[in-house]
Amino acid sequence: DADVTQTPRNRITKTGKRIMLECSQTKGHDRMYWYRQDPGLGLRLIYYSFDVKDINKGEISDGYSVSRQAQAKFSLSLESAIPNQTALYFCATSDGSTGQETQYFGPGTRLLVL
Amino acid sequence: RKEVEQDPGPFNVPEGATVAFNCTYSNSASQSFFWYRQDCRKEPKLLMSVYSSGNEDGRFTAQLNRASQYISLLIRDSKLSDSATYLCVVILNTDKLIFGTGTRLQVFP
Repeated sequence: DADVTQTPRNRITKTGKRIMLECSQTKGHDRMYWYRQDPGLGLRLIYYSFDVKDINKGEISDGYSVSRQAQAKFSLSLESAIPNQTALYFCATSDGSTGQETQYFGPGTRLLVL
Repeated sequence: RKEVEQDPGPFNVPEGATVAFNCTYSNSASQSFFWYRQDCRKEPKLLMSVYSSGNEDGRFTAQLNRASQYISLLIRDSKLSDSATYLCVVILNTDKLIFGTGTRLQVFP
């Protein structure tokens, strides 16, 4: 079984709809991240969380919100989706307790906003 | 200037060739450096860390030049399976990881 899972893997939605992307991990890591990837722009950080009570904005948080429901779960919401949020979204984890900075990524969610 | 810059490529090389990628970073306070590999439509995966003294893992060699603020990745004896996009990652501090846009490598028979 994969250590970091994302659901859904693909989603098509319409402008103005609310959508939630979910991420779960079995690695026991305390740190979780949401990124989006666009052609030519690379990976950009949306939000990150270092533990259940810690939420931080990343580089491009506008239009997004997150919830860290448990150590193993970190969800990303688009309150009112718009076409320029069409992208590939990755969740990632890292083990902050050991100071290890290696990030482990989920398989990604392809989102298309029409 | 972007915080982390990479030549997007593609680098098209024959099997067996040696190929090198560079990645430049703008902040001299950057602390840690990594190379990740990303296959088409897949998630990035750690390839190797980059240490100040340089490090090697099989056919892959990574080097850091702090004075000139760049890191490099050298791949020897390229295989078809090396075809992927290689992402440079720079960690400024615990809270900030910066990904390059990636360099695409295509190895042909």
